[in-house]
Amino acid sequence: AQKVTQAQTEISVVEKEDVTLDCVYETRDTTYYLFWYKQPPSGELVFLIRRNSFDEQNEISGRYSWNFQKSTSSFNFTITASQVVDSAVYFCALSEAGIQGAQKLVFGQGTRLTINP
Amino acid sequence: KAGVTQTPRYLIKTRGQQVTLSCSPISGHRSVSWYQQTPGQGLQFLFEYFSETQRNKGNFPGRFSGRQFSNSRSEMNVSTLELGDSALYLCASSLILAGGPKETQYFGPGTRLLVL
Repeated sequence: AQKVTQAQTEISVVEKEDVTLDCVYETRDTTYYLFWYKQPPSGELVFLIRRNSFDEQNEISGRYSWNFQKSTSSFNFTITASQVVDSAVYFCALSEAGIQGAQKLVFGQGTRLTINP
Repeated sequence: KAGVTQTPRYLIKTRGQQVTLSCSPISGHRSVSWYQQTPGQGLQFLFEYFSETQRNKGNFPGRFSGRQFSNSRSEMNVSTLELGDSALYLCASSLILAGGPKETQYFGPGTRLLVL
């Protein structure tokens, strides 16, 4: 069965610190997709990044960066120079290959990130 | 483009009642998925619809059902509500291309259901 583990339930840092959110996944599929979503207090899940299993290149987008390592089944997310607006719950998710392209996301339990001024 | 919209945003029901939630996907998106979010169980997949057909279903009782219309709009229904059905129900849509890879799911703001 597919599984996503986010071991850090809550993280609290002071503004401008760097912070890394960990994500470890389990799957038997050779083709799969990994995602990170942000959930602010309003509740909507905001898409941040999508990675397929054949692309292990790390990605940087502004203050955000992602480190994908198949060897350790990890897809970690780093925020550099954190800001108060980064405070939210962050979810890592795995998409099954599925039958006939059927969509299903398996989510981790989420990490609540609090950035203190 | 307008995002995924969900109505209503908030609902209060009592045990035993039924409820219908609505979701309008992003224009052009043909796949709609539903998720339930609770503090105890986290985010769990309910079902996915594509071209008016349910393609995938999560591990929920038969009280949870859904459908999709020809314009890709979707509804989910929960009958005989229980206290444990109190949750945030999120709808997501994605663009599906024939034979294409998995697409990103974009989420709506959710419907917060409280069962008393």
